[in-house]
Amino acid sequence: NAGVTQTPKFRILKIGQSMTLQCTQDMNHNYMYWYRQDPGMGLKLIYYSVGAGITDKGEVPNGYNVSRSTTEDFPLRLELAAPSQTSVYFCASSYIPRERYGYTFGSGTRLTVV
Amino acid sequence: TQLLKQSPQFLSIQEGENLTVYCNSSSVFSSLQWYRQEPGEGPVLLVTVVTGGEVKKLKRLTFQFGDARKDSSLHITAAQPGDTGLYLCAGAKGSEKLVFGKGTKLTVNP
Repeated sequence: NAGVTQTPKFRILKIGQSMTLQCTQDMNHNYMYWYRQDPGMGLKLIYYSVGAGITDKGEVPNGYNVSRSTTEDFPLRLELAAPSQTSVYFCASSYIPRERYGYTFGSGTRLTVV
Repeated sequence: TQLLKQSPQFLSIQEGENLTVYCNSSSVFSSLQWYRQEPGEGPVLLVTVVTGGEVKKLKRLTFQFGDARKDSSLHITAAQPGDTGLYLCAGAKGSEKLVFGKGTKLTVNP
């Protein structure tokens, strides 16, 4: 099982550029999430989805957009990258009930905006 | 407001020592999970506890959920360098999203 796959692993963006972080899962999970992790700050939820066609904002959605056209894929779009978006981004998915089975995380994308 | 507070934030010990890390909240959770994150990787689920007072063991790791379901602890016996990582607790309230603590960064020196 591949689990949750994120690409790319590393990326350097210039201020104002845009990019899409890819996330795909092969576990048929309905729930998917995007987090960012900054040193000493834990995981902050950016966006989440409870199924194809349904997305909702998390704690820190500004500067990001998502879509969920299929169960498997949940890409995160950064428009007009800013230095404040330098972070490690994690995609996760979960089974139902998610509070019992936990989240499966990808290995992350380390993004630097210069 | 930090819903789940983990302590200590950093812990550096020698191989063979025992340690306990804590996850505390003023809120009641229906379940609580512990994850371990190694450098360059995503968090990996270690255990889920759902019943107040519950104790679960995973080899040298012992997890306890408080009687009031507001706190949890992770005890490691005879720590090994392979235990090094960031330990995150995460709480759930029914069908709501998981809330993560900021983590305890553990370093076990050979």
